[in-house]
Amino acid sequence: AQKVTQAQTEISVVEKEDVTLDCVYETRDTTYYLFWYKQPPSGELVFLIRRNSFDEQNEISGRYSWNFQKSTSSFNFTITASQVVDSAVYFCALSEAPYNQGGKLIFGQGTELSVKP
Amino acid sequence: DAGVIQSPRHEVTEMGQEVTLRCKPISGHNSLFWYRQTMMRGLELLIYFNNNVPIDDSGMPEDRFSAKMPNASFSTLKIQPSEPRDSAVYFCASSTSGRALYNEQFFGPGTRLTVL
Repeated sequence: AQKVTQAQTEISVVEKEDVTLDCVYETRDTTYYLFWYKQPPSGELVFLIRRNSFDEQNEISGRYSWNFQKSTSSFNFTITASQVVDSAVYFCALSEAPYNQGGKLIFGQGTELSVKP
Repeated sequence: DAGVIQSPRHEVTEMGQEVTLRCKPISGHNSLFWYRQTMMRGLELLIYFNNNVPIDDSGMPEDRFSAKMPNASFSTLKIQPSEPRDSAVYFCASSTSGRALYNEQFFGPGTRLTVL
């Protein structure tokens, strides 16, 4: 069965600290995508990144970076030099679907990140 | 460009009443998803459509829930009769599908439903 586990329910850091959010997934599919979404206090869900199962290169976008390791079924998210505006709930998600029928997202439970000044 | 539009943003109703949530996907997107978010169950997919056709409704809790997509620019999620345990935030999302597999889903702002 497909499953996404975010073991860290809450993380609290002080501004400028680096923080890593863990994500472990389970799937029997050989083709799949992984996503990270951010949900700030205002409630909307904001797309951050998509990664396909054939590309294990790490990705960096500003202060954000992602580490995808198929060997451990993990897709971790690191925020460098965290800021108060990073405070939000972060969701990792796995997409599985028949070809050409869109992607059904399976979400982890989310990690609530609190960045204190 | 307008994002996914949901209405109403907030709904308070009494148990037993019918509730209709509405969604307008991003123009050109052909996949539409309804999710529910609660503290207990997190984010869970209720149903999704591809080219206006329901593909997977296995997440719909029970017969009290129904969803329709009469055309590419509009979808509704109806609860009849509503119960207090239906209180949640309901999100609509849309994406493109096709050769670019598993495109990202763009979410609407959500409808916060409270059933008293």
